[in-house]
Amino acid sequence: QVQLQESGPGLVKPSETLSLTCTVSASSINTPYHWGWIRQPPGKRLEWLGIIYHSGSASYNPSLRGRVSMSIDSSKNQFSLKLTSVTAADTAVYYCAGETDYDSFGYIHWGQGTLVTVAS
Amino acid sequence: QSALTQPPSVSGSPGQSVTISCTGTSSDIGFYNRVSWYQQTPGTAPKLLIVEVTNRPSGVPDRFSASKSGNTASLTISGLQTEDEADYYCSSYTTSSSLVFGGGTRLTVL
Repeated sequence: QVQLQESGPGLVKPSETLSLTCTVSASSINTPYHWGWIRQPPGKRLEWLGIIYHSGSASYNPSLRGRVSMSIDSSKNQFSLKLTSVTAADTAVYYCAGETDYDSFGYIHWGQGTLVTVAS
Repeated sequence: QSALTQPPSVSGSPGQSVTISCTGTSSDIGFYNRVSWYQQTPGTAPKLLIVEVTNRPSGVPDRFSASKSGNTASLTISGLQTEDEADYYCSSYTTSSSLVFGGGTRLTVL
């Protein structure tokens, strides 16, 4: 059973950088499938942030206007998210996720989610 | 990229069937078969119900079925059970090389 676990600060100040890491268990991160980040502001819909492949190749949501970047560390079986210049609008539960098959974009593996609050 | 359009709420009685629609455009649902459906209960991560328009992952009951016609995808839940009460989200890959979600539909089992 593949397990994902998000970790990182639960509180980030406005204009600073949000950094989260997802640790993958019971599966190698070196698969042809991509790994993704999805967030959900309180009471709102899901928003796809982007994906990263084991090669390090990434694709991001254009609406984030270059504020997002992702990386992968195969030696630790982890992948990470950075979101710069955060505002209160970035307050959300952040999920890391894994898909069912190569570029199916159906996410069957999910972390439990971590709430990140942007506030001073 | 605009969100996919879902009805805010639907309801049904135990044993009945309900269908949730998800309307997109020719740049997402109408272009790709990468449409998924998720079930989410409060305080939990979404659970994948359907992938690639019609496919159910192992363990998802066959009461859940889905289809697509043109720019609209649909999820049907038959034999409604009280445990089906949740929020349901659709998603689709887009020609902008991104994934877009619907606004979510709250299912109430009366």
